[in-house]
Amino acid sequence: EAQVTQNPRYLITVTGKKLTVTCSQNMNHEYMSWYRQDPGLGLRQIYYSMNVEVTDKGDVPEGYKVSRKEKRNFPLILESPSPNQTSLYFCASSPLPTGGAPRTQYFGPGTRLLVL
Amino acid sequence: DAKTTQPNSMESNEEEPVHLPCNHSTISGTDYIHWYRQLPSQGPEYVIHGLTSNVNNRMASLAIAEDRKSSTLILHRATLRDAAVYYCILRVQGGSEKLVFGKGTKLTVNP
Repeated sequence: EAQVTQNPRYLITVTGKKLTVTCSQNMNHEYMSWYRQDPGLGLRQIYYSMNVEVTDKGDVPEGYKVSRKEKRNFPLILESPSPNQTSLYFCASSPLPTGGAPRTQYFGPGTRLLVL
Repeated sequence: DAKTTQPNSMESNEEEPVHLPCNHSTISGTDYIHWYRQLPSQGPEYVIHGLTSNVNNRMASLAIAEDRKSSTLILHRATLRDAAVYYCILRVQGGSEKLVFGKGTKLTVNP
């Protein structure tokens, strides 16, 4: 089954304790992205990657890192989490566009993070 | 990105059609109209998209006004599983892959 998986689904941590949220897709997609969703603010893009070893900042990258060493994986790293990073996080993937219509994005189930 | 306007919420009864409107008066000629929805406790999922002509798929239909300044997502027979927030998003051909989500329309389906 074609899917985007995220782990963990729920995480409670404390300020300053490094954590990684994993994202993996089995559709051979080039494009992957991380969003966070907060009440009243909607979904906002954190980082994205157009292909292996190619990453770039989205709208709210502060406090986050990413890496893209393999095509299928795109982990989100919080080196020193703070309470304002408490949020619902979604990973998404899609094929790269070929100059025509934008491609459909597939989202993971989400990771709910609470930073105390 | 061009802006879209949707009602905050709508209600429907099960088995009845639902018409979810979206206004996008500043749409440009290369903007595609995409619809995604987010079911409770899940990630967003693609519903349908179109450019100029009306579109149908297994999930829904998309009716696009002739001047393209508005569109309507049509669920032909709403089920309880269609209760979700529906987002209308404009995406530029050849533009950024980033999805810009607005507040969307929260659809409640009554049994």
